[in-house]
Amino acid sequence: QVQLRESGPGLVKPSETLSLSCTVSGDSIGDYYLTWIRRPAGKGLEYIGRIFPSGSTNYSPSFRSRVTMSVGTSKNQFSLKVRSVTAADTAAYYCARLNGSGMDVWGPGTTVTVSS
Amino acid sequence: SYDLSQPPSVSVAPGQTASITCSGDKLGDKYACWYQQKPGQPPVLVIYQDTERPSGIPERFSGSNSGNTATLTISGTQAMDEADYYCQAWDRTTAVFGGGTKLTVL
Repeated sequence: QVQLRESGPGLVKPSETLSLSCTVSGDSIGDYYLTWIRRPAGKGLEYIGRIFPSGSTNYSPSFRSRVTMSVGTSKNQFSLKVRSVTAADTAAYYCARLNGSGMDVWGPGTTVTVSS
Repeated sequence: SYDLSQPPSVSVAPGQTASITCSGDKLGDKYACWYQQKPGQPPVLVIYQDTERPSGIPERFSGSNSGNTATLTISGTQAMDEADYYCQAWDRTTAVFGGGTKLTVL
């Protein structure tokens, strides 16, 4: 059964680039999109975008101008980069598999704090 | 942009039925999903394609979607069901989440 796990620095300075990885284990991601979602403290879920194992991406309009998603050659590692971060980007970040219309497998999440 | 609205909070007594609504323009023309999130844990998909339950989700969770409103119903609510619940639908290639509803089991 596929498992996902996010990793990356827990602290990023304002104006810098936030870089996270999502590692797939247990099985391949197959022909499913890998999505990125975040939840700022005290707020609700926010959709960032999705990437197909081929590398095709769709980004939420709210993030399109400063987000890049990519996939490694082995297709078991995905990455998210968010440029020019501010305190508003402080959140728990999740990667999740998109199966049909819903996200059915989630990583445990990783917390990122933007602070100098 | 497409918006989904949920009540911020719903309260229910143990053993009773909880209903959480999600409103959006012509939401019934889209598939709605529902997620449960407890503190410190990732969300869990509890309903997809309006009415379908993933494997392992208790039968007390059910969903419906018609017109402008999708509804998550929890029958015989248990203390373990206390959590935040989010609806989600697709606006073309972008997933849209409702603002979330905190379910309190009194």
